[in-house]
Amino acid sequence: VQLVQPGAEVKKPGESLKISCEGPADTFGTYWIAWVRQRPGKGLEWMGIIHPSDSDTRYSPSFQGQVTISVDKAISTAYLQLNTLKASDTAIYYCARSTFFGVIADHNWGQGTLVTVSS
Amino acid sequence: QSALTQPPSASGSPGQSVTISCTGTSSDVGRYDYVSWYRQYPGKAPNLIIYQVTERPSGVPDRFSGSKSGDTASLTVSGLQPDDEADYYCVSHTGTTNVFGPGTKVTVL
Repeated sequence: VQLVQPGAEVKKPGESLKISCEGPADTFGTYWIAWVRQRPGKGLEWMGIIHPSDSDTRYSPSFQGQVTISVDKAISTAYLQLNTLKASDTAIYYCARSTFFGVIADHNWGQGTLVTVSS
Repeated sequence: QSALTQPPSASGSPGQSVTISCTGTSSDVGRYDYVSWYRQYPGKAPNLIIYQVTERPSGVPDRFSGSKSGDTASLTVSGLQPDDEADYYCVSHTGTTNVFGPGTKVTVL
């Protein structure tokens, strides 16, 4: 499985960003797509998951209301929307093909999008 | 801020064993047998080494084992090797979503 993300984005504080995660069309609707954040030098944070078949979305409490996860099944692409960016949003954002229970097998991760928020 | 707790670091000499704990609550680790463990090398995506508390994906050596007692899950790495030096994260299902532990840095002395 190959999930394709943009490699890097540079934004200014206050701007918005929508990160894409494109997967293989034939299996895109069969697994949940998870988003995971990793700030520089810090640990992994589970942001939420979405099922492409019906857009059922589950956010982690820390990220509820702070980000928007969506999917366009027609183009096999999931999205992570970040609004009103702050310096603290600087991080690598991974998408991954996951089970509902948090199991992400090897080769099911996107390469990660490094988001830098700086004036 | 993680709802799970892990020791920030653990270490052992080559050939020794190290055990990492992952403590949650009766609402996550204690309630569900959906605890996974990931290993992450610097600059790389995580690798799955244990799922459903005790299961190993194919290709993961049996030096890695998982267990759970009450609200605490554990990962044991036996026969430590130099390339076991990495960050290790637990993940637990919470009923509606999942949560990572803060990670444990394992050092092979």
